[in-house]
Amino acid sequence: DIQLTQSPSSLSASVGDRVTITCRASHSVTKYLDWYQQKPGKAPKLLIYTASSLEGGVPSRFSGSGSGTDFTLTITTLQPEDFATYYCQQSYNIPLTFGGGTKVEIK
Amino acid sequence: EVQLVESGGGLVQPGGSLRLSCAASGFTFKTYSLTWVRQAPGRGLEWVSYISSSSSMIHDADSVKHYADSVKGRFTISRDNAKNSLYLQMNSLRDEDTAIYFCAREKMTAARFDFDSWGQGTRVTVSS
Repeated sequence: DIQLTQSPSSLSASVGDRVTITCRASHSVTKYLDWYQQKPGKAPKLLIYTASSLEGGVPSRFSGSGSGTDFTLTITTLQPEDFATYYCQQSYNIPLTFGGGTKVEIK
Repeated sequence: EVQLVESGGGLVQPGGSLRLSCAASGFTFKTYSLTWVRQAPGRGLEWVSYISSSSSMIHDADSVKHYADSVKGRFTISRDNAKNSLYLQMNSLRDEDTAIYFCAREKMTAARFDFDSWGQGTRVTVSS
């Protein structure tokens, strides 16, 4: 199974900050890495698929990059509605696996 | 508008069974692959099962099905295209199956296993 390690597990940031979250895979997943946002009591929401493709309706302040084993989700100019937990997920093979999550909190 | 609505969760004793349902609307159900993902209280997301699209309106014999090792042999995923519904039959339930169960739709792209629409989840509690 492919293990995904996210860092940091949590971070505190202010509105307007630039935030970077990383996801490292135990084996190459080529470009098949997705990012989701989840708010408390809500379902996950797809933000980025295949490492860098922005899902429709997602603000352009979200971007993804990387390939192979190392990936990054970047939020430029953090907005109040962006405080949430973010998960990476490899879509390379079965079993599908998720990272442990990164909680973005208000400083 | 795409909608996925889960139901069937509840409190069940260890060793018991539950059948979860996911009612879909707003898209051509039979052409989409679907998945179940769960989230234990205060924990992260865990993939459970996946079923590919099916051309049959009644049976899913032509669907490809996948399971996480943690549920293999105990859970069965199925779909009924005539009813626009996805199911998860859960048998021999364990304490560690306690979670919110989400159904999700696979995004229609050349890639696979990207999930662009999710239900609100149904809560399963396994406890004596």
